[in-house]
Amino acid sequence: QVQLQQSGPGLVKPSQTLSLTCAISGDSVSSNNATWNWIRLSPSRGLEWLGRAYYRSKWNSDYAESVKSRIVINPDTSENQFSLQLNSVIPEDTALYYCARGYYDISGHNNYYYMDVWGKGTTVTVSS
Amino acid sequence: ETAMTKSPATLSLSPGDRASLSCRASQRLSTDYLSWYQHKPGQAPRLLIYGASTRATGIPPRFSGSASGTDFTLTISSLQPEDSAVYFCQLDYNTFGQGTKLEIK
Repeated sequence: QVQLQQSGPGLVKPSQTLSLTCAISGDSVSSNNATWNWIRLSPSRGLEWLGRAYYRSKWNSDYAESVKSRIVINPDTSENQFSLQLNSVIPEDTALYYCARGYYDISGHNNYYYMDVWGKGTTVTVSS
Repeated sequence: ETAMTKSPATLSLSPGDRASLSCRASQRLSTDYLSWYQHKPGQAPRLLIYGASTRATGIPPRFSGSASGTDFTLTISSLQPEDSAVYFCQLDYNTFGQGTKLEIK
């Protein structure tokens, strides 16, 4: 059974860096079928996908345009986890942050993609 | 990236009722990446449906999904009190619908 365990501070000062980690059990961060995602939920923006990292012969990453200049998602193969760094945070970055596994499920003629495992979420407040 | 709209924002129904929640894409898309999730406060989101109509492991048969053109529907037949939650759709890897709050009276 795949599980994701999130950790990281719940309070970050404006202009500083938000750092969260998601530890994986039951799967490998280097899996060729999975992507490793960060998503956030806020009243103003709803659910917002932030970015993902994944391994396909080499490491790849995709980021949302809204945060592209400030975000890094790093895999850590030695600890089997991945992390989120969001730089220069502002109060509008206050949200509930989730990590999630995106899974490519090739079945017959279909190539499904879905997020089947999620972390429990971390509430992050940006405030001085 | 294709914007999704949903209807309605909030739905208030009684136990035993049938709920229909919808997402609409701005253009025709593959159904392979269309998923539905249930989210309760304090819990991780739960995958219900993938590929627009396939139930995820362990999901009761009262949950079903369908697709017609650019419209995608999650149907919950015979609502139970524990179905109170926010439901949202996802298209591809980077686009979520705004979510519908389902209240069971």
